[in-house]
Amino acid sequence: ILNVEQSPQSLHVQEGDSTNFTCSFPSSNFYALHWYRWETAKSPEALFVMTLNGDEKKKGRISATLNTKEGYSYLYIKGSQPEDSATYLCAFFSGTASKLTFGTGTRLQVTL
Amino acid sequence: EAQVTQNPRYLITVTGKKLTVTCSQNMNHEYMSWYRQDPGLGLRQIYYSMNVEVTDKGDVPEGYKVSRKEKRNFPLILESPSPNQTSLYFCASSLRGGRQPQHFGDGTRLSIL
Repeated sequence: ILNVEQSPQSLHVQEGDSTNFTCSFPSSNFYALHWYRWETAKSPEALFVMTLNGDEKKKGRISATLNTKEGYSYLYIKGSQPEDSATYLCAFFSGTASKLTFGTGTRLQVTL
Repeated sequence: EAQVTQNPRYLITVTGKKLTVTCSQNMNHEYMSWYRQDPGLGLRQIYYSMNVEVTDKGDVPEGYKVSRKEKRNFPLILESPSPNQTSLYFCASSLRGGRQPQHFGDGTRLSIL
């Protein structure tokens, strides 16, 4: 089983703070790296799919970077809002097996 | 509306009684998969399918079966459920493999007594 690790496990910030999380994944057999946002009592929703080393993606206040050579990706949230409160998941898609392996997520809580 | 539909949403049953959780997508997606979510362990892939009649094991396939006879449907079968299969299950689909995002169903909460 591939090892995909996310840190921190949880994070509590105040409205307006900027924050970032890390996803570490195997640096070999890379095919794609996914980020999802998962709100309580809902289903995970895709944020980004990243495929190339050096990729940077942005959606509103959320952005992500990718380093496939060293096996990590960062997710950034600028000016956190209470509606950003959710668990953020990353997932690694291997080039040798068509499996998607998820990390255990970073739980973000944003308070006023 | 583009969606992944799972049924049932909730089920309480007993050990050993065969059950099937259905999953259907209306987006003509090739890739479909099943995940289970357990506290502290995150989402773990049970089985996946690259296309019709092509299925393969994920990381936790023991005790589960799947089939992909039609592109839109990907049922998850528990032939002899046991209490350790009590979990929240998600079906997901994507257009093609790993370079497109997964679209998740609403989840099925199974309790095996």
